[in-house]
Amino acid sequence: DAGITQSPRHKVTETGTPVTLRCHQTENHRYMYWYRQDPGHGLRLIHYSYGVKDTDKGEVSDGYSVSRSKTEDFLLTLESATSSQTSVYFCAIRTGTDQPQHFGDGTRLSIL
Amino acid sequence: EDQVTQSPEALRLQEGESSSLNCSYTVSGLRGLFWYRQDPGKGPEFLFTLYSAGEEKEKERLKATLTKKESFLHITAPKPEDSATYLCAGQTSGSRLTFGEGTQLTVNP
Repeated sequence: DAGITQSPRHKVTETGTPVTLRCHQTENHRYMYWYRQDPGHGLRLIHYSYGVKDTDKGEVSDGYSVSRSKTEDFLLTLESATSSQTSVYFCAIRTGTDQPQHFGDGTRLSIL
Repeated sequence: EDQVTQSPEALRLQEGESSSLNCSYTVSGLRGLFWYRQDPGKGPEFLFTLYSAGEEKEKERLKATLTKKESFLHITAPKPEDSATYLCAGQTSGSRLTFGEGTQLTVNP
């Protein structure tokens, strides 16, 4: 168990509303990641963090922002949700250099 | 552009029928090739990391191998509980992972 909790696990919202997803880890690992998983695309990196207040963009970052004010929490915000952002969102942590990423159980987000 | 391609997309086996899943990659500066297992409604679960051509790793009925262009996940005498989607991913510098779309494996009793 990698000690990763994602919340909420499921959410339904409307187009144009802001949405924030939370990823919480129980240990002080430096690296945290947000992915989305869609049929036909596999897992794609949205943003990642390599420390408190240190973040960088992934391959599908448009329309998303992140914040990391504490080591244990990494927040993903959809500033104005669109139907194309309906997806399953996964958070991951990495425990050290050249170590594998470990994933949470995901948030299923539906935007109507 | 980094790319990882998995085949087949789906595979049905009878219990005990061995087979292999393929992962082809074009990743510049590959620093590791990762295999994950994903069950429905769950996040990917780490299985193996391979770092260099010729390397092999085993876990129960699974064995992963790596060449300069592809990786194979061999499943020997599978059981129904091995049914899952298997993902592979290539890691470049900066710890970014490029994932394939996965192979959905079904093992019938």
